[in-house]
Amino acid sequence: KQEVTQIPAALSVPEGENLVLNCSFTDSAIYNLQWFRQDPGKGLTSLLLIQSSQREQTSGRLNASLDKSSGRSTLYIAASQPGDSATYLCAVTTSGTYKYIFGTGTRLKVLA
Amino acid sequence: GAGVSQTPSNKVTEKGKYVELRCDPISGHTALYWYRQSLGQGPEFLIYFQGTGAADDSGLPNDRFFAVRPEGSVSTLKIQRTERGDSAVYLCASSLSGRDTQYFGPGTRLTVL
Repeated sequence: KQEVTQIPAALSVPEGENLVLNCSFTDSAIYNLQWFRQDPGKGLTSLLLIQSSQREQTSGRLNASLDKSSGRSTLYIAASQPGDSATYLCAVTTSGTYKYIFGTGTRLKVLA
Repeated sequence: GAGVSQTPSNKVTEKGKYVELRCDPISGHTALYWYRQSLGQGPEFLIYFQGTGAADDSGLPNDRFFAVRPEGSVSTLKIQRTERGDSAVYLCASSLSGRDTQYFGPGTRLTVL
C-alpha cells in the first residue's frame, strides 16, 4: 500500500531564502508525481508534474526532482517570496492505477 | 477559460439527511476525480471517472456514498444518511486524461450537525 510522507510539516523562512520541501513514498513503482500548492480555504493548484522516467522538472523559480529508487522527490523554491506562503502537497500514482495518494503537506510561511 | 466549479460552496445538513454535491469540470476533460479533505490532512481519494464510467471507486468509504457522471461532463457525489464524520471539504478535479495534470475546483465544505 502506497504511503506518502512530507517533512517538515511546517516551515518558516525569511524572504529571499532558497528552500527545499521533501516528499517520500513507500512504493517506488510510481507512474508520476505531482506537486500542488493550496492557499487557505481554497482548492489545489498544480505546480509541476514529473513522470517516472524523468529526473526533474522546472517551472520558473520551482524545480522538482525525482529519485524513484529511493522513493523521494524534492521541490526546490528559489528566492522565496511572501506570496509563496501556502501549503505544498505532493501526490503520487502507482503504475496500474489512476488513484492519487497525497501527503499531508508542508505549511510554508515566507516572512517579509 | 472557465476552471472547475463546484456547487454549493457550503452545505450544512442534519445527521441522517441526503446531500448532493455537484462538480462541473473543464470542458473536454475526460478524467474526473473526487477527493475528501479533512482539516490538516491531504486530500483522500474517493472515486475516478474516465468518461461516463467509474473506473476506480475503491476510495468510497461505504455504500452511503455514490457518484455519477451520466454524460461524461458534470458529476454528482451523493451521500445518503449523512453522519457527523462525513463533515469535510469535498474536492473535485479534472484532467485531460487520467494521470495528467489535475485542475481542482474550490471545494464544497460539508458540515453535518
